[in-house]
Amino acid sequence: GNSVTQMEGPVTLSEEAFLTINCTYTATGYPSLFWYVQYPGEGLQLLLKATKADDKGSNKGFEATYRKETTSFHLEKGSVQVSDSAVYFCALSAVSNTGKLIFGQGTTLQVKP
Amino acid sequence: DADVTQTPRNRITKTGKRIMLECSQTKGHDRMYWYRQDPGLGLQLIYYSFDVKDINKGEISDGYSVSRQAQAKFSLSLESAIPNQTALYFCATSDGTFTDTQYFGPGTRLTVL
Repeated sequence: GNSVTQMEGPVTLSEEAFLTINCTYTATGYPSLFWYVQYPGEGLQLLLKATKADDKGSNKGFEATYRKETTSFHLEKGSVQVSDSAVYFCALSAVSNTGKLIFGQGTTLQVKP
Repeated sequence: DADVTQTPRNRITKTGKRIMLECSQTKGHDRMYWYRQDPGLGLQLIYYSFDVKDINKGEISDGYSVSRQAQAKFSLSLESAIPNQTALYFCATSDGTFTDTQYFGPGTRLTVL
């Protein structure tokens, strides 16, 4: 079946450090891939997405590239800020699921000044 | 005003009680979803609805029921609450395909004693 695996958290970084959060997936066919972010006390919101192999999604300085050969969609940011502290979820939507999202377990990021 | 609203935001109830969580959206989307979030488990799909007459079970529907009263309203009920239903519940909407963004409400924190 379809599944998403994220790196364990929490991840603690100093401001301006480089961020990588690993995400790998298992799916048949060609799923769409997403990163959602959840700030404290809020619902999830879309951070970025990619809908086909080799696509790069980007937003707010975050990037992720859809790698079909390694079934990965790792999230990166060159210089994190305290305001990036949140929980990050990788997710996939497979054609056969007609819009349903399958989430990874989430990775908590804490950025210290 | 928020596009997706949930009521109540917090609820404490006792084992065996019936409880209803409500979701309303102003985005005009046909598709609505109910998810449950548990620490370390990401989000799991409870029920989803592609229009008023189309309701489907998700991964963890046992112990839950839903009602789609209108395009804009989708309610989740716990007929007889139990402590392991203590969780954060999210409603979400989307308007189309498997590449489409889902828009989440702020969540309802439910505690069953």
